Amino acid sequence: DQQVKQNSPSLSVQEGRISILNCDYTNSMFDYFLWYKKYPAEGPTFLISISSIKDKNEDGRFTVFLNKSAKHLSLHIVPSQPGDSAVYFCAASVGSNYKLTFGKGTLLTVNP
Amino acid sequence: DTAVSQTPKYLVTQMGNDKSIKCEQNLGHDTMYWYKQDSKKFLKIMFSYNNKELIINETVPNRFSPKSPDKAHLNLHINSLELGDSAVYFCASSQFGLAGREQYFGPGTRLTVT
Repeated sequence: DQQVKQNSPSLSVQEGRISILNCDYTNSMFDYFLWYKKYPAEGPTFLISISSIKDKNEDGRFTVFLNKSAKHLSLHIVPSQPGDSAVYFCAASVGSNYKLTFGKGTLLTVNP
Repeated sequence: DTAVSQTPKYLVTQMGNDKSIKCEQNLGHDTMYWYKQDSKKFLKIMFSYNNKELIINETVPNRFSPKSPDKAHLNLHINSLELGDSAVYFCASSQFGLAGREQYFGPGTRLTVT
């Protein structure tokens, strides 16, 4: 039972353009969402997060948008750089339970 | 200066053996976790300890036993290894109670059971 879904296994964009990674969830109890980036043979690295009381959070080139009614969030990377090429995981948690539920990840390739 | 470290990075062993993976964090966090990333690439939580107390114990075979000697260390011992235990195991840590719930991950241990 996948509560967090990333339906695009891969995404390819040109350097300098916008990358949009999508994530859907089914559990309406989720109230905190995170994005992680993962390079091969390394652990996931925290990128950006958003609480369910917000609909947008921005950090430099990275912006996360949350649409609670659609149970959908997205990560925008502008402008995309070749160093952004990695697997991006969406994760969600409920209240004070710090268990993170992860999506399957999307492989982003940014072409020079 | 590594924040969350795991040893070993690679572990190849035969079915039926017992093995341990060690994890240490120097972030001063009070909560640590073990995750398993299987062949389908899903990252799933296995255990979590807060101040050496087990707080999350997912449906994991009892051949897996976590041990937290102190807040900075969380080890994973696996008895009677099976082929299906082959995966990448990630340790993570966080500070309970902060506004953010970010977890910081180690580099992973790739376990191969033959």
